[in-house]
Amino acid sequence: AQSVTQPDIHITVSEGASLELRCNYSYGATPYLFWYVQSPGQGLQLLLKYFSGDTLVQGIKGFEAEFKRSQSSFNLRKPSVHWSDAAEYFCAVGAGNAGNMLTFGGGTRLMVKP
Amino acid sequence: SAVISQKPSRDICQRGTSLTIQCQVDSQVTMMFWYRQQPGQSLTLIATANQGSEATYESGFVIDKFPISRPNLTFSTLTVSNMSPEDSSIYLCSVVRQGRYGYTFGSGTRLTVV
Repeated sequence: AQSVTQPDIHITVSEGASLELRCNYSYGATPYLFWYVQSPGQGLQLLLKYFSGDTLVQGIKGFEAEFKRSQSSFNLRKPSVHWSDAAEYFCAVGAGNAGNMLTFGGGTRLMVKP
Repeated sequence: SAVISQKPSRDICQRGTSLTIQCQVDSQVTMMFWYRQQPGQSLTLIATANQGSEATYESGFVIDKFPISRPNLTFSTLTVSNMSPEDSSIYLCSVVRQGRYGYTFGSGTRLTVV
């Protein structure tokens, strides 16, 4: 069975600083990996996804993530954080089939200091 | 990506009653899923909604408590039956479109049971 771990429950960064959110997954084959963001009281918005090919994927809002098979990781990065990035971030893994459900990590709550 | 309309967006219900949540998609989709997000928690899959047949429930979720219908490729309902305060959560509909390796989420239904 697939699983996802987000080691950091809370992270606080200063506005303008760089950001890295960690995600480790467990899956026996090639995973489909996703990052979602959830603002307070809102639904989930897809930031980026990885299926195959280039291991560095670009997403919306200036986010990127790198798939590292050897480390079973898919960390999310942003070079300069904006106050509007404060939200909950979820990493998710899907099986190698478009029809399978997603398994979510526990989430990381990002707070941004002025 | 698919556009999802999920209704109601929020509700406050009395314990012992039932609430039906609707998920309408603007195009035909292959898979439809229902997730639950308890307060401060990540998302947990309740079930996969199967068109014209019984839903496939995950461990810990049963049809009597969470009956699901999916009469066609664009519509599904989730009912939360005989509610208790422990059912207070956000319930989200998610879809996968045929041949598209991406999952779209509805804006969610925020349920409070008093």
